[in-house]
Amino acid sequence: KNQVEQSPQSLIILEGKNCTLQCNYTVSPFSNLRWYKQDTGRGPVSLTIMTFSENTKSNGRYTATLDADTKQSSLHITASQLSDSASYICVVIGTGGYNKLIFGAGTRLAVHP
Amino acid sequence: DSGVTQTPKHLITATGQRVTLRCSPRSGDLSVYWYQQSLDQGLQFLIQYYNGEERAKGNILERFSAQQFPDLHSELNLSSLELGDSALYFCASSVEGGSLYGYTFGSGTRLTVV
Repeated sequence: KNQVEQSPQSLIILEGKNCTLQCNYTVSPFSNLRWYKQDTGRGPVSLTIMTFSENTKSNGRYTATLDADTKQSSLHITASQLSDSASYICVVIGTGGYNKLIFGAGTRLAVHP
Repeated sequence: DSGVTQTPKHLITATGQRVTLRCSPRSGDLSVYWYQQSLDQGLQFLIQYYNGEERAKGNILERFSAQQFPDLHSELNLSSLELGDSALYFCASSVEGGSLYGYTFGSGTRLTVV
């Protein structure tokens, strides 16, 4: 069964600190993997998109990595800010289009001053 | 503003009732997707329309239906509502019918069934 599992479920860090969120998936065949940021009560916003051949991709203070062999991805947030408080969702897309989108349950990050 | 407009933002209704959620896609986008997000759950794909035609169905209940109109806006109809239908309903749009180029989410409609 195609699945996307994220860890930790929730995380609290202090402002200015770094953190890493994990995403393990079993989706196969694999097309691409995306990380989204979802503020409370808002729609998800895309942070990064990585295809099979990409190992890392950055978007400002966000850096995503992908190991397609072990089916693992991580999202590293550097120098966290209060505005980083949100849920971070890993989405894995299999080949075959829209109906192969598998969403993780998300990691809820809280950044405290 | 993502360019995808969903109305209403909040909706409270009683069990057994019927509601309609509306989505206007981003200008130029032909595909509309509907997702349901229950409390502390991941997004669940419900249905997709492309240029007015149903493209795919996900885990959509028979009590739910949707359509996309000639002006490309879409409506999601939820009937015989149950308490478990309380959730955030998101609409997303994309230029084409697949997912490879990514898509844009609206801000969602929060439905509360009491």
